[in-house]
This record gives sequence, structure tokens and C-alpha cells, in this order.
Amino acid sequence: DAGVIQSPRHEVTEMGQEVTLRCKPISGHDYLFWYRQTMMRGLELLIYFNNNVPIDDSGMPEDRFSAKMPNASFSTLKIQPSEPRDSAVYFCASSFLLGTAGAEAFFGQGTRLTVV
Amino acid sequence: SQQGEEDPQALSIQEGENATMNCSYKTSINNLQWYRQNSGRGLVHLILIRSNEREKHSGRLRVTLDTSKKSSSLLITASRAADTASYFCATTNYGGSQGNLIFGKGTKLSVKP
Repeated sequence: DAGVIQSPRHEVTEMGQEVTLRCKPISGHDYLFWYRQTMMRGLELLIYFNNNVPIDDSGMPEDRFSAKMPNASFSTLKIQPSEPRDSAVYFCASSFLLGTAGAEAFFGQGTRLTVV
Repeated sequence: SQQGEEDPQALSIQEGENATMNCSYKTSINNLQWYRQNSGRGLVHLILIRSNEREKHSGRLRVTLDTSKKSSSLLITASRAADTASYFCATTNYGGSQGNLIFGKGTKLSVKP
């Protein structure tokens, strides 16, 4: 497996534009996480899915952010409209969770978003 | 919201020395994990310790967990320049929102040759 694949790797956009980040999790994984990383706030969990269903979106900062997982092999994180303070590195991670035993999460390389 | 808090925020040592990083968390957990992040890259899993375990080893890594103090430590022995990276602890709590994975802010380790 190629691992978690995110696209694009870099995105520069103007304030007010719509931004869509994409993620392909590892095949067979049933959990998918979206994180945002900044120097000030560290690594924040935005939302996570289990079997394509959003479980907890309490970390989504505003209604401008939305995430979908239409099938087991694809997820998107959309920001509309984008603002300069959304500039960050966005990571997608997937995991196969075995009950309470827990399992490691595999991260993509991230999308560096710059909103000017 | 942050669950784990790593300490120190930054650590600079010489190659060959041991590096110890600490993590404190707030709520009850099912397991605790340590991850590493090289500059500009995604996070990579290092080791997982379950709530009923007290110590775990993997190569040059040693992790301890004290659930009574809600704390964990990561020890890297005989450090190498290639160990330079940021290290994060992450906790999983199945009590409320099942399967969430919350990270601390990390410790930035610099190993000088």
C-alpha cells in the first residue's frame, strides 16, 4: 500500500476562495482523522470518521469548514470561504482500530495551505 | 483541544546522550502513543502503551506510563543526530467519543553530532 495520500501538497489561495483538500486512506482502515497543525496551536483534531460516518466534529473551528467521506477510500476537507488565519498544514491520518486495544495512526504528508 | 502536554518544549543534547521527554494528560485513557515528526513531514508512530501496562521497550526507546499521575515518559538512549525531530504523545479515550486520537504540542529534540 502507498500509505495515506493527500493532495495537493501545497495550496496557495486568495482570501474568500474555496479550498478543497483530499485524502485517500490506507485500504482496510476504518478510521480517518483530519488534523490541522500550526506553530501556535500545535496539532488539532478537526474531525474523525468511523466507517465513513462522522463521529466527532467538535474540533471544526467554524461553519466555513466541512468534511465528507463519501466512501471508504476518499475524504475531503473543504474551507469556504477561506481566510488568512486558516493558513496551516492539514494532515489526514487513518487507522484500523481493534476495539479498546488501540492501533497506530498512519499519517499522510500533509497539505500546506497558505491563504493570502 | 489538547489532551497531552509534553515537557520540555525543546531539548538539545549531544550525540550519544540519552533524551527524556515527558507527557501529562488530563482524562482517563485506554492507551497512549508516541509519534515522531521530522521537519516538513507527517507524523510516524513509534510506540503504543496500553493503560494496563507500565513500561514498554522498542529498540532504543523506552516508554513508561503512570496512570495514577496521568503521565508518560519517552526515553531515547544513545541518541543520534538522525533522532533530531519533534516528538508527540497522543492519547485515545474510548469513554466518550470512541476512537479519538488527541495530540500534545510536542517536544522539539535537537541532537548535535
